[in-house]
Amino acid sequence: GENVEQHPSTLSVQEGDSAVIKCTYSDSASNYFPWYKQELGKGPQLIIDIRSNVGEKKDQRIAVTLNKTAKHFSLHITETQPEDSAVYFCAAMGTSYGKLTFGQGTILTVHP
Amino acid sequence: DAGVIQSPRHEVTEMGQEVTLRCKPISGHNSLFWYRQTMMRGLELLIYFNNNVPIDDSGMPEDRFSAKMPNASFSTLKIQPSEPRDSAVYFCASSPGFEQYFGPGTRLTVT
Repeated sequence: GENVEQHPSTLSVQEGDSAVIKCTYSDSASNYFPWYKQELGKGPQLIIDIRSNVGEKKDQRIAVTLNKTAKHFSLHITETQPEDSAVYFCAAMGTSYGKLTFGQGTILTVHP
Repeated sequence: DAGVIQSPRHEVTEMGQEVTLRCKPISGHNSLFWYRQTMMRGLELLIYFNNNVPIDDSGMPEDRFSAKMPNASFSTLKIQPSEPRDSAVYFCASSPGFEQYFGPGTRLTVT
């Protein structure tokens, strides 16, 4: 089955800096890659996603890039703010439609 | 829309008791997913339904777990009998296609 590795496990930045979280996946047939933000005591919130026919997608301060050859994708957050502090999860959908495999999560802390 | 609704938000029960978790998906979504989240194992997919039919239950840990979706607006996850190792946060998510939208979760503690 699909295997997703996420790095780093923790990331600490100063407000205004950029943050990058990287994930690799194992199933070359995977075609959908969402990113979720989870705040304490809440469910994961979909923040951006990308499909395999696109190399990059941007939404305001958040962008995701996909390299299908290398089987990795990344989340980029620019101009970080303290409210960006949360746990971020990447995920990949393989050949089993609907079935997401999640990375282990990255704890992002943005210091004011 | 109110989003995915889960109840109860917290459940504390004793080992051996039956536990039922409930989920109301977003109206119009045709897929529903049950996940379990623990520190050790992260987010795990337990089972998912498409148009009320179970498609993949390979993530259900053992026969003590069962899930039903009697109609498009309601699903249950039942654990009988419950054990301390079942303590976790259980999430329900629904989807109209690719995107999955999560509920707030039920924190289950089995003592």
